[in-house]
Amino acid sequence: DQQVKQNSPSLSVQEGRISILNCDYTNSMFDYFLWYKKYPAEGPTFLISISSIKDKNEDGRFTVFLNKSAKHLSLHIVPSQPGDSAVYFCAASRYSSASKIIFGSGTRLSIRP
Amino acid sequence: DAGVIQSPRHEVTEMGQEVTLRCKPISGHDYLFWYRQTMMRGLELLIYFNNNVPIDDSGMPEDRFSAKMPNASFSTLKIQPSEPRDSAVYFCASSPSVGGVREKLFFGSGTQLSVL
Repeated sequence: DQQVKQNSPSLSVQEGRISILNCDYTNSMFDYFLWYKKYPAEGPTFLISISSIKDKNEDGRFTVFLNKSAKHLSLHIVPSQPGDSAVYFCAASRYSSASKIIFGSGTRLSIRP
Repeated sequence: DAGVIQSPRHEVTEMGQEVTLRCKPISGHDYLFWYRQTMMRGLELLIYFNNNVPIDDSGMPEDRFSAKMPNASFSTLKIQPSEPRDSAVYFCASSPSVGGVREKLFFGSGTQLSVL
């Protein structure tokens, strides 16, 4: 039973345009959400997070939106750059120190020139 | 800080052999996680520790898998006996907690395991 789902295995976007990556979750107890970025042969690195008390968090070109009623979050990258080509993982947790972080299956983003 | 260090980077072994993966977390981090990445299931949480104590091992596939954390600077994940379906990239991650709240995870570069 996958509690965090990324239904698009891959996405291709033209350089300079907006990239939108989507994520759905099923566990209503989750209240903290994260996005990680992974390059080949490297471990995932933290990108941005959001707690359930917010519906938007922005950091430079990256914005995460949270829709609690739909149990859906999305990551927007504007403008997309070649260095953004990577696998993006969505993750969810409870905002407490003793809980596990559950990851989705990832979306491979390719930025084309 | 060198980050989370995993060894070996690559491991090729034959079915039935014992495999031991190693991890050194970032100094001062009190949480340590083992994840496995496969094409089908993405990043699966296998087990995690807090202050060297296993908190949740419900993700460990079966009794062939075991993990230990004898001290704050070292953890191992052992597979005995290994099977071809264990082939995957295994990641170790650590995180600090501040004021009782766990911060984000820092991942190692992973161990690519191939069981022939």
